[in-house]
Amino acid sequence: NFMLTQPHSVSESPGKTVTISCTRSVGAIASNYIQWYQQRPGSAPKTVIYEDQERPSGVSDRFSGSIDSSSNSASLTISGLTTEDEADYFCQSYGTSRSWVFGGGTKLTVL
Amino acid sequence: QVQLQESGPGLVKPSETLSLTCTVSGAFISNSYWTWIRQPPGKGLEYIGYSYYSGNTNYNPSLNGRVSISLDTSKNQFSLRLTSVTAADTAVYYCARARGGIVGAGVDYWGQGTLVTVSS
Repeated sequence: NFMLTQPHSVSESPGKTVTISCTRSVGAIASNYIQWYQQRPGSAPKTVIYEDQERPSGVSDRFSGSIDSSSNSASLTISGLTTEDEADYFCQSYGTSRSWVFGGGTKLTVL
Repeated sequence: QVQLQESGPGLVKPSETLSLTCTVSGAFISNSYWTWIRQPPGKGLEYIGYSYYSGNTNYNPSLNGRVSISLDTSKNQFSLRLTSVTAADTAVYYCARARGGIVGAGVDYWGQGTLVTVSS
């Protein structure tokens, strides 16, 4: 199976834009969809992006997803940051053995 | 609105079997994939496995055959069994539904999670 690698932490100021990366170790990033989950402290995860770039109903359009085949990575971009965006973010994909694979998570600090 | 609720013991002794149930409302068990995901304290999310009512299942190989997921359509519930537990199995366990009736698009609905501690 492959691994999904995320930065351990990122930080940015309110109102700014931040991008969180998720790099696939082997195999093409475009081979299987990437999902992104937001997890606030003490809460269950919530899907913010599915199928690389789709937003579930009710998720702000400040959240967007993309993939880049040249770097074999996916990205989650959050614009107009607010303190409510402060959370852990996890990427996830479908593995070669039909299993799911999660990235290690990125802690976003908005300060 | 689809809702999922985990239930089961919060404390399990080492070497025993962890058993959890997820009760689903607002959707039928028989037309989706259902999954278990866990999160050790202070760590990231770990995939445990998924199952479809037809018997199509998949488990995380790292669990070395200790896991099974079963569906009960009569009760609209699905269950997790994890045998021979150790302290490393201490985690918040989440039940969830796979989006769109497929396994490639992640989760659309999550349970709130339940903490299971393995300790004597």
